[in-house]
Amino acid sequence: DAGVTQSPTHLIKTRGQQVTLRCSPKSGHDTVSWYQQALGQGPQFIFQYYEEEERQRGNFPDRFSGHQFPNYSSELNVNALLLGDSALYLCASSLDRLTSGNTIYFGEGSWLTVV
Amino acid sequence: GIQVEQSPPDLILQEGANSTLRCNFSDSVNNLQWFHQNPWGQLINLFYIPSGTKQNGRLSATTVATERYSLLYISSSQTTDSGVYFCAVKEGGGNKLTFGTGTQLKVEL
Repeated sequence: DAGVTQSPTHLIKTRGQQVTLRCSPKSGHDTVSWYQQALGQGPQFIFQYYEEEERQRGNFPDRFSGHQFPNYSSELNVNALLLGDSALYLCASSLDRLTSGNTIYFGEGSWLTVV
Repeated sequence: GIQVEQSPPDLILQEGANSTLRCNFSDSVNNLQWFHQNPWGQLINLFYIPSGTKQNGRLSATTVATERYSLLYISSSQTTDSGVYFCAVKEGGGNKLTFGTGTQLKVEL
C-alpha cells in the first residue's frame, strides 16, 4: 500500500519564478492538505482540498494556489516566489476531511529553496 | 486561534533513559496527534489520541482533554528516537491541524 508521495523532493528556484509541487494521497484517501514548514518551526496549514474544491485556507497570500484532480491527487502552485517561501512543503492525506478518528498521513515533503 | 505549546524545547538523553514530553493546548480539541519528524523531514504518525491512554512498544501517550494537555512517554530510548516530536490538534468545526512548537530530542550513546 503506497503512502503519500510527493514530487519533486528538492528544487531550487529564482525569486519571481513560479513552482508547482505534486502530491498523490495514500490509497483510499480523498482529502489532501498542504503545509509549509520553515526551518526550525512546526508545519503551518496552507489549505485543504476535498472533492476537487478548496475547503479551508490558512493565512497564506493568493500567490499560493492549488488544485485537486478526480483521482484525488493534488498540486500546490506558488507564483512570484519570494526568498521567504524557502521551506519544506508537506502534503498530508486523510479520509473524508480530518473527521474525528481519522489519522492524517504525511508525505516526505518537497524542499524548496528560493535564491 | 488555538495555541499549542510543547516542553521541553530541547532534550538530550543517554541511550536507555526514559523521558516525558508535554503538549499544552489553549482550547477544546476533538483530534490530537503526536508525530515524529526524522532528520530527512518525514513526519511519522505516532498516536491519534484525543483522550485517554495508548501504548505502542516503548512509546505511550496520555491526553487529559479536560485539563488541556497531552504527554508522550519514551522508555528505554534509542539513537533512532532522535528527531523532533510534534503534537498537533484540530479544533471543532475546522479541517486543519495546528502544530505545537516541537521538542528536539537527541539520544546519545
